[in-house]
Amino acid sequence: DQQVKQNSPSLSVQEGRISILNCDYTNSMFDYFLWYKKYPAEGPTFLISISSIKDKNEDGRFTVFLNKSAKHLSLHIVPSQPGDSAVYFCAAIAPNTGNQFYFGTGTSLTVIP
Amino acid sequence: GAVVSQHPSWVICKSGTSVKIECRSLDFQATTMFWYRQFPKQSLMLMATSNEGSKATYEQGVEKDKFLINHASLTLSTLTVTSAHPEDSSFYICSARQGDAYGYTFGSGTRLTVV
Repeated sequence: DQQVKQNSPSLSVQEGRISILNCDYTNSMFDYFLWYKKYPAEGPTFLISISSIKDKNEDGRFTVFLNKSAKHLSLHIVPSQPGDSAVYFCAAIAPNTGNQFYFGTGTSLTVIP
Repeated sequence: GAVVSQHPSWVICKSGTSVKIECRSLDFQATTMFWYRQFPKQSLMLMATSNEGSKATYEQGVEKDKFLINHASLTLSTLTVTSAHPEDSSFYICSARQGDAYGYTFGSGTRLTVV
């Protein structure tokens, strides 16, 4: 049962434009959300996170938005750069499951120079 | 920042042999370590959670006798794939957490190919 879903397996964006990656979840107990970036044959690296008590968190070019009522979060990258090309995973944590991560299936972002 | 070293990064083994993967937290004490597996075009799937000095907790469907996890110290956890078969070929990644913090640091992963 996939509790965290990323329905877009791939996304292509022109350099300098905004990249928007979407993530939906089903478990209302999730209280913390994270975005990870992953290059081929490497482990994921942490990008940005948001607590369920917030609806927005910004870090440089990266902003994560959380809509709890819709059980939806999104990652905005602006301006997009070719080095941002990677697979992006969203992940969620429910405190009553021992802080187990639930990962989405990932979205492959390609930023075209 | 926190660094987790995972070794080896790539291994090929014969079917029926065992392979050990190490995960070390280099500059912090990892009270909890997680082991994940990723098949091509699929998400990272949690295999097991281990706390230092206690037995690992395995996710449903993960054979604990096949995937042996040892977390003997606060800086080292090992995953041993016993009697490996081609279907065990996958990308294995560890993650470490310090205390109750939400900060998780991932290793660089191990690409296992069983021939």
